[in-house]
Amino acid sequence: AQSVTQLGSHVSVSEGALVLLRCNYSSSVPPYLFWYVQYPNQGLQLLLKYTSAATLVKGINGFEAEFKKSETSFHLTKPSAHMSDAAEYFCAVSERTGGFKTIFGAGTRLFVKA
Amino acid sequence: DTEVTQTPKHLVMGMTNKKSLKCEQHMGHRAMYWYKQKAKKPPELMFVYSYEKLSINESVPSRFSPECPNSSLLNLHLHALQPEDSALYLCASSQDFEGTYTGELFFGEGSRLTVL
Repeated sequence: AQSVTQLGSHVSVSEGALVLLRCNYSSSVPPYLFWYVQYPNQGLQLLLKYTSAATLVKGINGFEAEFKKSETSFHLTKPSAHMSDAAEYFCAVSERTGGFKTIFGAGTRLFVKA
Repeated sequence: DTEVTQTPKHLVMGMTNKKSLKCEQHMGHRAMYWYKQKAKKPPELMFVYSYEKLSINESVPSRFSPECPNSSLLNLHLHALQPEDSALYLCASSQDFEGTYTGELFFGEGSRLTVL
């Protein structure tokens, strides 16, 4: 069964510092992997997705993620945090053979300090 | 601006009420979803509609009744809910599955439901 594990329910960084949010996946077939962001009282917005093309995926707002099959990881990074990046981030996995289900990780709350 | 529109944004209902949540998308997507999200938790899948047919029901209690009148609309009918059903209900849509499936979901902003 497919699943994702996000390491760290809270991450705090200073403005301008590197952002690193960790995600490990479990899937029996090549997965589709995603990072979504959720701002307070809003729905989820796609940041980026991996669909077996390039292993380094660039997304919106300066975020990127690298798919590492050997480590079953899909960590999200941003070189320089901005105050507006403060939000909840969800890693997610989807399989075509899974009945079109997308399963979300528990989420990581990112805090950005001035 | 989101291309998936949910109404109402907020709903307060008693345990004996009947109400509905509505969702609309005009992106030509043929799959639509209902997710439930409790505070500080990830979204949990409830239902999936594919080409207006129910394809997945994640063992959701019958007090939640989904309906897909056409490819652009998705409803969630609520009846005899419990206080623990209070949550943010998110609607999402995605592209056609056949051959072009990538799993990307487009979410609405949600309907926040409070059951008294």
